[in-house]
Amino acid sequence: EAGVVQSPRYKIIEKKQPVAFWCNPISGHNTLYWYRQNLGQGPELLIRYENEEAVDDSQLPKDRFSAERLKGVDSTLKIQPAELGDSAVYLCASSLGGLGSYTGELFFGEGSRLTVL
Amino acid sequence: AQSVTQLGSHVSVSEGALVLLRCNYSSSVPPYLFWYVQYPNQGLQLLLKYTSAATLVKGINGFEAEFKKSETSFHLTKPSAHMSDAAEYFCAVTPKLFVGGNTGKLIFGQGTTLQVKP
Repeated sequence: EAGVVQSPRYKIIEKKQPVAFWCNPISGHNTLYWYRQNLGQGPELLIRYENEEAVDDSQLPKDRFSAERLKGVDSTLKIQPAELGDSAVYLCASSLGGLGSYTGELFFGEGSRLTVL
Repeated sequence: AQSVTQLGSHVSVSEGALVLLRCNYSSSVPPYLFWYVQYPNQGLQLLLKYTSAATLVKGINGFEAEFKKSETSFHLTKPSAHMSDAAEYFCAVTPKLFVGGNTGKLIFGQGTTLQVKP
């Protein structure tokens, strides 16, 4: 079974440029998460989707970050314009959701490492 | 609000020695608890999880963790360290679905880097 797939693995951009990250979750997982991991720290949740609906985006900097999950499968996270402080690894994860199947276990992709110069 | 504290950002052990990585959680009721491992340039991989069954949980690669409600702890141990265990380890917590409404959010500690010396 294929795991969570993310692309690109690495991205280097200059500040004020836009950037987008793509995620394909595990087939059948209706819950999708975007986390940001700064160097030397644990991941922090940016946004969580249940199918197409963003059910928790309280930590997403909405002035420059946006995300979408069309058709409840793939997801895209965009930053526009990027700032120096956005340099981090952006992790996508998926899980089985809903009553009866919730265990809190997330499956992570390898991440997209962003460097903003 | 729930939180996780990992004591010690860096732990160094000799190959063959006991590994002990500490994790304490803050929660009004016992949550679900997890340990994830992250190898360099890779995503996080689940080591083990506690979901209110047995308090001693066994995971992959010989790791285990014990849930102690009285101490609000979930420390990770391995009897004998191997060079391949060198990685970043994260403790994480999430509320149980039926308690106060589920946020579905996995909250991570700051991580502990395990170094294994030959």
